[in-house]
Amino acid sequence: KQEVTQIPAALSVPEGENLVLNCSFTDSAIYNLQWFRQDPGKGLTSLLLIQSSQREQTSGRLNASLDKSSGRSTLYIAASQPGDSATYLCAVPWYSGGGADGLTFGKGTHLIIQP
Amino acid sequence: DGGITQSPKYLFRKEGQNVTLSCEQNLNHDAMYWYRQDPGQGLRLIYYSQIVNDFQKGDIAEGYSVSREKKESFPLTVTSAQKNPTAFYLCASSIGRDRDWDTEAFFGQGTRLTVV
Repeated sequence: KQEVTQIPAALSVPEGENLVLNCSFTDSAIYNLQWFRQDPGKGLTSLLLIQSSQREQTSGRLNASLDKSSGRSTLYIAASQPGDSATYLCAVPWYSGGGADGLTFGKGTHLIIQP
Repeated sequence: DGGITQSPKYLFRKEGQNVTLSCEQNLNHDAMYWYRQDPGQGLRLIYYSQIVNDFQKGDIAEGYSVSREKKESFPLTVTSAQKNPTAFYLCASSIGRDRDWDTEAFFGQGTRLTVV
């Protein structure tokens, strides 16, 4: 069964720093990996979906990379801002045939950007 | 605006009561999902549906029931058999069947259920 692990569980950095969040998964037979952001008491906001055929995907100050063979993905946040404070989750789909049957999530990285 | 609407935002349940959480989407997605989120445990899949009138159990389906009578709607009922229902419930959708590579999921804003 697919397992997804996120390291670190929590991270606190001063504003302006570049930072990297890590995600690893045990089964490399995936089509894609998705990164989400969750603010306290809110739903999940999709940040980036990176296909297995891609190495990287970028959106603004965010850059996600995917290495299927090693079972790893990273989310790079450039020039961090206090508004980036949130919990970041990665997830991979699982299949039993005929479409994705759901996502397996990591437990998230709780990020605090200090002003 | 296209999206997923969950209601209510907060729900209180008395012991022995069944309650129903609403989830509606206007994204024309075939697949819909219910997840439960507890502190320190991450998100766990309760039920999913890839087509109208069909749904499957996820990892923690005991004590829950769903229906999928319309493409747009996937309500979740928390029954009295669910012994620890206090949690944050999230509904999601994706394009669905036969699109294994295109599984981008979109989530609603969640319903927080508390047993009183």
